[in-house]
Amino acid sequence: QVQLVQSGAEVKKPGASVKVSCKASGYTFTSYGISWVRQAPGQGLEWMGWISAYNGNTNYAQKLQGRVTMTTDTSTSTAYMELRSLRSDDTAVYYCARVAVVSGSFDYWGQGTLVTVSS
Amino acid sequence: QSVLTQPPSVSGAPGQRVTISCTGSSSNIGAGYDVHWYQQLPGTAPKLLIYGNINRPSGVPDRFSGSKSGTSASLAISGLQAEDEADYYCQSYDSSLSGSYVFGTGTKVTVL
Repeated sequence: QVQLVQSGAEVKKPGASVKVSCKASGYTFTSYGISWVRQAPGQGLEWMGWISAYNGNTNYAQKLQGRVTMTTDTSTSTAYMELRSLRSDDTAVYYCARVAVVSGSFDYWGQGTLVTVSS
Repeated sequence: QSVLTQPPSVSGAPGQRVTISCTGSSSNIGAGYDVHWYQQLPGTAPKLLIYGNINRPSGVPDRFSGSKSGTSASLAISGLQAEDEADYYCQSYDSSLSGSYVFGTGTKVTVL
């Protein structure tokens, strides 16, 4: 069965960086893209960006361009999301999700990783 | 920040039918991009509920149905059950700002 398993919770100071991992299993990793979505406490879902696991092409949300980098390691079927220059409003649960090829929907999701930014 | 607008909340008694609207514009839903719907139970990750406007993934009850017209889409829940109490989000693609996926503002469904 398809599974996306994310790394554990992180606590970071303002100005630091965080790198969250998302290990995929149960499907051919390079046949799908991965999107990252975050959710601040009590707030809605915010799309952060997308990476093709086939060729590494990326598309980032405009508001995060310059601070976010998404990568993949096809040898371990793992996707990564790094966010730099962290601010308090980056405190959120970060999710990875597989992007369905035909519909473009997010058909499987990771369990989420809480990133807390606090001094 | 969200470009897709949903009502903050809807409610209904068990067994009733409720609908959630998702209003977009000519650069997303109105441009012909598909709408997908997600259910998020408290403390859990979102789950795909409807994809491609009207399709249900395997395992999703047929009480859930989707539709799309013009620059809007709707999710209907018929025969409302207690376990349907959750947050619901629509999602589509937007061709402005170099192209991006966009989510709705979210709707809290309360079962009275």
